[in-house]
Amino acid sequence: NAGVMQNPRHLVRRRGQEARLRCSPMKGHSHVYWYRQLPEEGLKFMVYLQKENIIDESGMPKERFSAEFPKEGPSILRIQQVVRGDSAAYFCASSPSRGTNYGYTFGSGTRLTVV
Amino acid sequence: QKEVEQNSGPLSVPEGAIASLNCTYSDRGSQSFFWYRQYSGKSPELIMFIYSNGDKEDGRFTAQLNKASQYVSLLIRDSQPSDSATYLCAPQGSGGSNYKLTFGKGTLLTVNP
Repeated sequence: NAGVMQNPRHLVRRRGQEARLRCSPMKGHSHVYWYRQLPEEGLKFMVYLQKENIIDESGMPKERFSAEFPKEGPSILRIQQVVRGDSAAYFCASSPSRGTNYGYTFGSGTRLTVV
Repeated sequence: QKEVEQNSGPLSVPEGAIASLNCTYSDRGSQSFFWYRQYSGKSPELIMFIYSNGDKEDGRFTAQLNKASQYVSLLIRDSQPSDSATYLCAPQGSGGSNYKLTFGKGTLLTVNP
């Protein structure tokens, strides 16, 4: 009964490199949500994906950030040409259908450090 | 105007006391409200949710909701040092955005032995 799995737990990238964050939803869940937590900030919604579709990416920075959730495999959050301001904790959650009435369970997160 | 406001703290209470955490929100269409606990360096952990006006109790935790005042609170009775963490309030989005949670910055609670 594995929960939401995220990897890597910690990721260090130099400025200008690419970062790939992976999120495997709970078994049977086809909806994934990504949130970002900047230092000293609350969690901010980034993107909502259903299998092979981006439903809402209103929280994603317009440049360098992209997300996908292919038919097979985990959801990927990709950050190109990382900058120091991208250093944050990235969390994902999943659900079996759109939204939740009972709250989300988050994965352990990926802590990205840009040096 | 901030969407979700919480006192940043730190809120310091002695062990065994009642800790009171408050949250106001701006989206009048929000129907459900969630409280998360986050230990330093860890992911947020869901501890309570409430969707009806009034009180909801679960063990040492009581959530209170007043939709007319757009106010939600969390009471922790018999506070323990292990309750020391940041508590995040998260109203659910309204209408077609009900999949989206909007988080406050959180209140840091310290329970002193």
